[in-house]
Amino acid sequence: KQEVTQIPAALSVPEGENLVLNCSFTDSAIYNLQWFRQDPGKGLTSLLLIQSSQREQTSGRLNASLDKSSGRSTLYIAASQPGDSATYLCAVHNYGQNFVFGPGTRLSVLP
Amino acid sequence: DTAVSQTPKYLVTQMGNDKSIKCEQNLGHDTMYWYKQDSKKFLKIMFSYNNKELIINETVPNRFSPKSPDKAHLNLHINSLELGDSAVYFCASSSIETGTFNEKLFFGSGTQLSVL
Repeated sequence: KQEVTQIPAALSVPEGENLVLNCSFTDSAIYNLQWFRQDPGKGLTSLLLIQSSQREQTSGRLNASLDKSSGRSTLYIAASQPGDSATYLCAVHNYGQNFVFGPGTRLSVLP
Repeated sequence: DTAVSQTPKYLVTQMGNDKSIKCEQNLGHDTMYWYKQDSKKFLKIMFSYNNKELIINETVPNRFSPKSPDKAHLNLHINSLELGDSAVYFCASSSIETGTFNEKLFFGSGTQLSVL
């Protein structure tokens, strides 16, 4: 059964710093991995989707990497801004199974 | 236009009551879901529907009954509410990218249920 973990659970950084969020999964037979952002009181917004055959995806200041063999993905945020403050969740989609979500990393970017 | 909309946003009710949460998506997706996010923020799937047919029921008490009148709607009915049902419930829908197996999830904004 797929298990997804994320570290750190919470992260606080000053504005302008680059940062990395980590996601680990136990079953490497995945279709894809998605990173989501959740703002307080809101739903989840998809940020990036990496297919199992890909190593990374980029969107603006965000870069997500995938290392299937080691069961890891990272989300890199460049030049962080206060507006980036949110909870970031990764979700893994395995063959024949449903999405499994990690517990999230709560990010605070201080002005 | 809101892609996945659910109502109400907040629901406060007494133990033992029956309540419903509605969900609609205007994305033309075939698959819809209900997720539960507990107080520790873990997001877990409850139900998955594809073209109005139940695909997944993840060990959810039978007090919870999803109803899909058409593929754009997936409502959640909860009977005999218990304190432990308090959580945020999210509706979602998904599409599969043409020519791939990649399924992308789109979420509603959530319904915060508080059972007193």
